[in-house]
Parts: sequence; structure tokens; C-alpha cells
Amino acid sequence: DAGVTQSPTHLIKTRGQHVTLRCSPISGHKSVSWYQQVLGQGPQFIFQYYEKEERGRGNFPDRFSARQFPNYSSELNVNALLLGDSALYLCASSPMSRDEQYFGPGTRLTVT
Amino acid sequence: AQTVTQSQPEMSVQEAETVTLSCTYDTSESNYYLFWYKQPPSRQMILVIRQEAYKQQNATENRFSVNFQKAAKSFSLKISDSQLGDTAMYFCAVTTALNNFNKFYFGSGTKLNVKP
Repeated sequence: DAGVTQSPTHLIKTRGQHVTLRCSPISGHKSVSWYQQVLGQGPQFIFQYYEKEERGRGNFPDRFSARQFPNYSSELNVNALLLGDSALYLCASSPMSRDEQYFGPGTRLTVT
Repeated sequence: AQTVTQSQPEMSVQEAETVTLSCTYDTSESNYYLFWYKQPPSRQMILVIRQEAYKQQNATENRFSVNFQKAAKSFSLKISDSQLGDTAMYFCAVTTALNNFNKFYFGSGTKLNVKP
């Protein structure tokens, strides 16, 4: 079975631009979470979606938004990019929102 | 809120030896779950081991085992017979299960280097 997939792998954007990151969960998993991992730190929670509804949001500005589609894939959108948004963005899925999470390979976003 | 502290930024161990990575956490919840994740240089996070707080028995997965001390809020990872492939960042994480919401809190990680 395929694991969690994310696209694109790498992305370079300019300050002020907008970016969309995509995630496909493991088949059968209905919960998707997004994390930001700045170099040298642990992942920080951004959003969790379960059955297409937002279940939780971390301490991130409104420039960050997400959604989950009927097939349980998800998008993370970031508007008005700042240099500080440069990070590895991880997507994780779980079969039920209580279980352990399985991570994708991440999208490396560089903002110049 | 939950917090996770990993006090060892970097550790080294000789191949075939045993190493223990430390983790302490703080939570006000009575029901929670603890995890160790491994992130190799290729960056994909891999689940190593999982512990449910209400279970007193320490979890074990092959060469990996934990020492879970609930009163002390300590959750250390022991790796036996270390292998070169164990070289990675290791993250400790805690999550609760409230209203179908399981936000994970991660520590800052321990970089483990297994030497031949």
C-alpha cells in the first residue's frame, strides 16, 4: 500500500506570493494533519482535518488555511509568504483521529 | 497544553552498543499517548514505538523499548544492538484523545549518530 504522499517535493517562492501544498493520505485514513518543521526543531502543529471538518488549529496566523476533500486528500494554503515561512511542511494521516500518525516525506518550502 | 523536552541535542553510540534517549513531558490530561518517531536524513518521519499512558507495561518493538515513568512524566527510548541505519533524528511526541482531535506535541529532537 502506498504511504502518505505530498507534492511538490521542493518549492521556491518569493515573499508576498501564495503557495498551495498537497497531501494524499494512506488509503482508508480519514484524518489529515499538517505540521511545520523549521530546520533544527521538532514539527509544530498547524491543522487537523477529520472527515472534511477542521478539528483543530495551531498557533499560526490566518495566512495559513487548509481544506480536506471528499477523497480525504488535503491542501495547505499559505498567503503573503514571509521569509520565516521557509520550512519543511509535513502531512500526516491516521485512520481515526485518535491513532498514531503516519507522515509523508514533506514539502521543502524556501521563501526568498 | 502539552510540552515535551528532549535534553540531549546530540548523541553518539558505537555500532552494536546500547543507547538511551531521554524525554520528559508535561500534560494535565489523564489519558494520553506517547510516541517516538525517527527522522533519517532522507527526512520522512517513521513511527518507532507507541505507549498508551494507562498501560503500565513498557512498550517494546524488536530492538527498541521504552522506560515509561508516569509519575515522573518521563518516556525514554532504549535502542539495543545499535545499527548504522539507526542514525537519525529522534523525536518524542505526546498527544491526547479529546473529541476526535489528536494534536501532536513534539520535542526538539535528539540527533543520534551510530559509529562503525
